[in-house]
Amino acid sequence: DAGVTQSPTHLIKTRGQQVTLRCSPKSGHDTVSWYQQALGQGPQFIFQYYEEEERQRGNFPDRFSGHQFPNYSSELNVNALLLGDSALYLCASSLGTGELFFGEGSRLTVL
Amino acid sequence: GDSVTQMEGPVTLSEEAFLTINCTYTATGYPSLFWYVQYPGEGLQLLLKATKADDKGSNKGFEATYRKETTSFHLEKGSVQVSDSAVYFCALSDNAGNMLTFGGGTRLMVKP
Repeated sequence: DAGVTQSPTHLIKTRGQQVTLRCSPKSGHDTVSWYQQALGQGPQFIFQYYEEEERQRGNFPDRFSGHQFPNYSSELNVNALLLGDSALYLCASSLGTGELFFGEGSRLTVL
Repeated sequence: GDSVTQMEGPVTLSEEAFLTINCTYTATGYPSLFWYVQYPGEGLQLLLKATKADDKGSNKGFEATYRKETTSFHLEKGSVQVSDSAVYFCALSDNAGNMLTFGGGTRLMVKP
């Protein structure tokens, strides 16, 4: 049984560019959450998707947007990248509000 | 808003030493509390949880007790191993269970 898978694992962008990160949830899970983990810090909640709708959002600007597809996979989009967006982006899936299972993350470097 | 504060690391211990990592929280309502572990190059894994006051979560020799009166959820292990070297995160969930608020993490290094 595959767990949560994320792609790409690493990527480098320059300021002002846009990036799309992808997440496939654990089999049977219908809810996907995204977190940003800056170096040396704890993860911060970006948003959560359920039934293709954004159910809850953390304190992140509108440059951060997402999408959930009918197969429950999800994308995180970040526009107009800033140096401060450099971080590990973690996807977590769950069945409703059950236990979260995290992927290994996508490490974004903005130059 | 909700917040979690945990002791800064790194914590360096010798194998078989006793471990305590302090965690305190501020929250409205009655959150659930969690400890997650992050091994090098891996994602977060749930270590243990407690959903109400006085509950004790335990797993792999680690344990933590939900103390509402002191708003704490300290992680303990009686005898650490080299394989326990990792970063540990304390976290709480909102009342709806949709969002986790994490502490800053504590790096544990266990030397043989």
